[in-house]
Amino acid sequence: DGGITQSPKYLFRKEGQNVTLSCEQNLNHDAMYWYRQDPGQGLRLIYYSQIVNDFQKGDIAEGYSVSREKKESFPLTVTSAQKNPTAFYLCASSVDRALLTGELFFGEGSRLTVL
Amino acid sequence: GDSVTQMEGPVTLSEEAFLTINCTYTATGYPSLFWYVQYPGEGLQLLLKATKADDKGSNKGFEATYRKETTSFHLEKGSVQVSDSAVYFCALSDQGAQKLVFGQGTRLTINP
Repeated sequence: DGGITQSPKYLFRKEGQNVTLSCEQNLNHDAMYWYRQDPGQGLRLIYYSQIVNDFQKGDIAEGYSVSREKKESFPLTVTSAQKNPTAFYLCASSVDRALLTGELFFGEGSRLTVL
Repeated sequence: GDSVTQMEGPVTLSEEAFLTINCTYTATGYPSLFWYVQYPGEGLQLLLKATKADDKGSNKGFEATYRKETTSFHLEKGSVQVSDSAVYFCALSDQGAQKLVFGQGTRLTINP
């Protein structure tokens, strides 16, 4: 079945460590996105990419990094510079780079906890 | 910048009750408006959308009308079910920046 796969589902990290969250899609979508979800704050955009080898910062990019070497993959690295990394991370994709349809397809998320 | 404001949650209703979740927005252009739903343990999925003023989006018994004069897109359902328990997000498309802007989400719990 076509969809978005995020891994791992749960991740624990010690302070000072970098971690990488995986996001893979087999929908042949051009655009991919990373959102962070915190209770009572909704979804905030971290990074997005509309084409391979290109990506843009979202609203809260500090302390995060991404790469887009392949169309189907958009990994997110949470670096030690991210001051409050404990959160639920959602990856999404869209067939439409301009988001004219507005439809994002989401993965099931990765929950990161910093100990 | 563009923003979306939803009513504070959580919302708890009995089965078959009428549901309204308020959503208002601020945008410089003419955005499209969306409701997404997140069931427990899952990612978000699109529930309904409206792309211009006075359009009504509908799906699974839910409806929302794009009201430009009040900058609102309230979600309604006439008779809720336990299976509607989820978190609901209002969103708008910021086409200039090519991204979606989400509200803070409203947690809905339906009791049998």
